[in-house]
Amino acid sequence: QVQLQQWGAGLLKPSETLSLTCAVYGGSFSGYYWSWIRQPPGKGLEWIGQLNRDGSANYNPSLKNRVTISVDTSKNQFSLKLSSVTAADTAVYYCASHCSGTRCYHGMDVWGQGTTVTVSS
Amino acid sequence: QSALTQPASVSGSPGQSITISCTGTSSDVGGYNYVSWYQQHSGKAPKFMIYDVSNRPSGVSNRFSGSKSGNTASLTISGLQAEDEADYYCSSYTISDTYVFGTGTKVTVL
Repeated sequence: QVQLQQWGAGLLKPSETLSLTCAVYGGSFSGYYWSWIRQPPGKGLEWIGQLNRDGSANYNPSLKNRVTISVDTSKNQFSLKLSSVTAADTAVYYCASHCSGTRCYHGMDVWGQGTTVTVSS
Repeated sequence: QSALTQPASVSGSPGQSITISCTGTSSDVGGYNYVSWYQQHSGKAPKFMIYDVSNRPSGVSNRFSGSKSGNTASLTISGLQAEDEADYYCSSYTISDTYVFGTGTKVTVL
């Protein structure tokens, strides 16, 4: 069973770059799809982007200019970078897997524990 | 891409059935059978409840079922229990090879 553990800086100043990493335990890392999702305080879920098994990525059009999702296959980790953050980027950020075992889904099967990121001057 | 539309809240008594709707467009919900549903208890990460409109992952109670008609998907919870009180989100794959979530529905067990 896939397990995800994520970490990163929790307090940023406006204009800084958010950087989060998600480590994958179990499963077939290189054969899976991975996503990042965020949830502002008291609000709903927002899909940020997906890392595909070939290393390419798809992004939410509203964030595309500021987001980069990358992979380090040697460490079974994938990362999120969001540049030029503002208070509107304050949220709980989740990493998630679209796959578990031998199955992949058009949905997020396994979720990380979440990382709270606050942007404040 | 615009968030899928869900009712803000739905409530029911224990043992009753409730249905949550999720309305999108022909570019997402209506165009693909790739609607998924998530349950989120307060302060917790979401849990994968339904995939491909109507399929349950292993371990999810058969009290949860999904369906779709046109641009609207639905999640039905039958035999409502106190533990079902949570927020529920739908999600759909889109024509742009992205995903979009619904606005979320708070389920209250009376």
